[in-house]
Amino acid sequence: EVQLLESGGGLVKPGRSVRLSCTGSGFTFFDYAVSWFRQAPGKGLEWVGIIRSRPYGGTTEYAASLRGRVSIVKDDSKGVAYLQMNSLKTEDTAVYYCSRSYYHDNTGYLSDHWGQGTLVTVSS
Amino acid sequence: DIQMTQSPSSLSASVGDRVTISCRANQSINNYLIWYQQKPGKAPKFLIYAASTLQSGVPSRFSGSGFGTDFTLTISSLQPEDFATYYCQQSFSTLAPTFGGGTKVDIK
Repeated sequence: EVQLLESGGGLVKPGRSVRLSCTGSGFTFFDYAVSWFRQAPGKGLEWVGIIRSRPYGGTTEYAASLRGRVSIVKDDSKGVAYLQMNSLKTEDTAVYYCSRSYYHDNTGYLSDHWGQGTLVTVSS
Repeated sequence: DIQMTQSPSSLSASVGDRVTISCRANQSINNYLIWYQQKPGKAPKFLIYAASTLQSGVPSRFSGSGFGTDFTLTISSLQPEDFATYYCQQSFSTLAPTFGGGTKVDIK
């Protein structure tokens, strides 16, 4: 069974950093990209970024609004991806989800399995 | 970024009803359209991709249609487990996937 599990959320002060982990199991982690999304309380979904699988270059893309404050890395040997966010603001308060993603010809990147999410609360 | 607009933002329906949700892009996205279902406190569930292809395991009462800028999610006969919020997402722009604002389907 494909599973993804996020961890690392919690209460963080404005201006500080947080590193979230996404552990995958039940599939060959190397073969897939990992995407991160977030959802502020009572709001809709927002894409944060993606790290492509090594066969597709292992490169990253980030939402323009977050570029410069966010980075994603992937450790295939451990089956874990990480989302690092710096200079946190109160508006970064959200549930952060990771997902298994893959490129599908003529349809772009698809995120077919998601973790349960981890809540990051930015507050003093 | 490509803007996605869903309508309505909410609707009330009864079990057995046919439900239709619309999603519009502000530019053509061909068929690069995904639908998710989200229940309170849960992660989104991947339902449909390429505008009309049902993900494995998704009940056949769900269907999607559309191409270009206008898309529709239809639930042919609403079941109790279908009460949820539905989101569309464009996968046309790899560098900036964007979502519609969501449609909440609740019990009439």
